[in-house]
Amino acid sequence: NAGVMQNPRHLVRRRGQEARLRCSPMKGHSHVYWYRQLPEEGLKFMVYLQKENIIDESGMPKERFSAEFPKEGPSILRIQQVVRGDSAAYFCASSRRLGGSEQFFGPGTRLTVL
Amino acid sequence: QQQVKQSPQSLIVQKGGISIINCAYENTAFDYFPWYQQFPGKGPALLIAIRPDVSEKKEGRFTISFNKSAKQFSLHIMDSQPGDSATYFCAATQEGTASKLTFGTGTRLQVTL
Repeated sequence: NAGVMQNPRHLVRRRGQEARLRCSPMKGHSHVYWYRQLPEEGLKFMVYLQKENIIDESGMPKERFSAEFPKEGPSILRIQQVVRGDSAAYFCASSRRLGGSEQFFGPGTRLTVL
Repeated sequence: QQQVKQSPQSLIVQKGGISIINCAYENTAFDYFPWYQQFPGKGPALLIAIRPDVSEKKEGRFTISFNKSAKQFSLHIMDSQPGDSATYFCAATQEGTASKLTFGTGTRLQVTL
């Protein structure tokens, strides 16, 4: 499968727990974007990373959210102390080059906070 | 400044008809305008994209029309098919270091038999 992979596809957490979402970009892509989609809304940019570097995190909430893309392994979006308002679909997209506007999306992780 | 406004919110078209979805943007620095198709439970899939140096781009049954002076662009789906039933999102970005996409709110298209 040469596409963008995300796991888990569905994640249920209770309020106060931590959520970890993983994204493996397409083969040959070294840039990752994270977007959040609230029910019945469009996608909102959160963060843009390349390996070992955050390029743009202007869409990330100031608290509880963090992202990384290590030299080896998938990109991880981490949400600490989840609240009900964090319930959403989180999509990862990858691009081949720095600032690559052609972005390919994964299937998403649907987070439900009870 | 960063908004992309999309209309209509939902659209019902008969099989064989033309589906038209419109978007308007405010940021004149935007220079790449993709359209994405999303089926329920799936991620958005890049459908077609345009840059401001052309006024129209066609790929199969899908056409983007672009009006730079009006800051508007639209997606036309010719000969609409039931399999086209999905949610369509327009987006825009300024190509460069980040190229983060700003999305419209989506149009839910239903193509009836």
